[in-house]
Amino acid sequence: AQSVTQLGSHVSVSEGALVLLRCNYSSSVPPYLFWYVQYPNQGLQLLLKYTSAATLVKGINGFEAEFKKSETSFHLTKPSAHMSDAAEYFCAVSDQGGGTSYGKLTFGQGTILTVHP
Amino acid sequence: SAVISQKPSRDICQRGTSLTIQCQVDSQVTMMFWYRQQPGQSLTLIATANQGSEATYESGFVIDKFPISRPNLTFSTLTVSNMSPEDSSIYLCSVERRVSTEAFFGQGTRLTVV
Repeated sequence: AQSVTQLGSHVSVSEGALVLLRCNYSSSVPPYLFWYVQYPNQGLQLLLKYTSAATLVKGINGFEAEFKKSETSFHLTKPSAHMSDAAEYFCAVSDQGGGTSYGKLTFGQGTILTVHP
Repeated sequence: SAVISQKPSRDICQRGTSLTIQCQVDSQVTMMFWYRQQPGQSLTLIATANQGSEATYESGFVIDKFPISRPNLTFSTLTVSNMSPEDSSIYLCSVERRVSTEAFFGQGTRLTVV
């Protein structure tokens, strides 16, 4: 079975500082990996995805993530935090890396990002 | 992208009653999913709603408690039956788009059981 671990349930950064949200996965097959963002009282919005193409993936709002197979990691970064980045972020892995289901996801516990002025 | 409409957006229900949540998509999709997000928790897949056949439930979820309908390729319902306060959660509908290799989520239904 797939699993996802997000290290740190809360991350706090200053505006303009580097954002690093950690995600490690376990999978017996090559995974498809996703980062979603959830703003208060809203649904989930896809930030970026890894689907076995380039290992460095760029997403919306200046976020990017690098797939590292040797480390089984897919950490999310942003060079300079903005106040509007404050939200909860979820890392997710698809149930089957063969592309049969992108919607059947296993989620990490989530990381709440706080951005201080 | 996909436009997903969930109804109701929120509700407060008495224990022992049932609530049916609707999910409408703006175009035909093959796969629809229902997730639960308990307070302060992550999302957990309840089931996959299959058009023309019974839903496929994940471990820990049963049809008697969470009956699902999928009458066509754009619509699904999830019923939370015989509710207890432990069912208080956000329930989210999701659809898969193969062409864009991603899943899209509705805004969720915030359920409070008192």
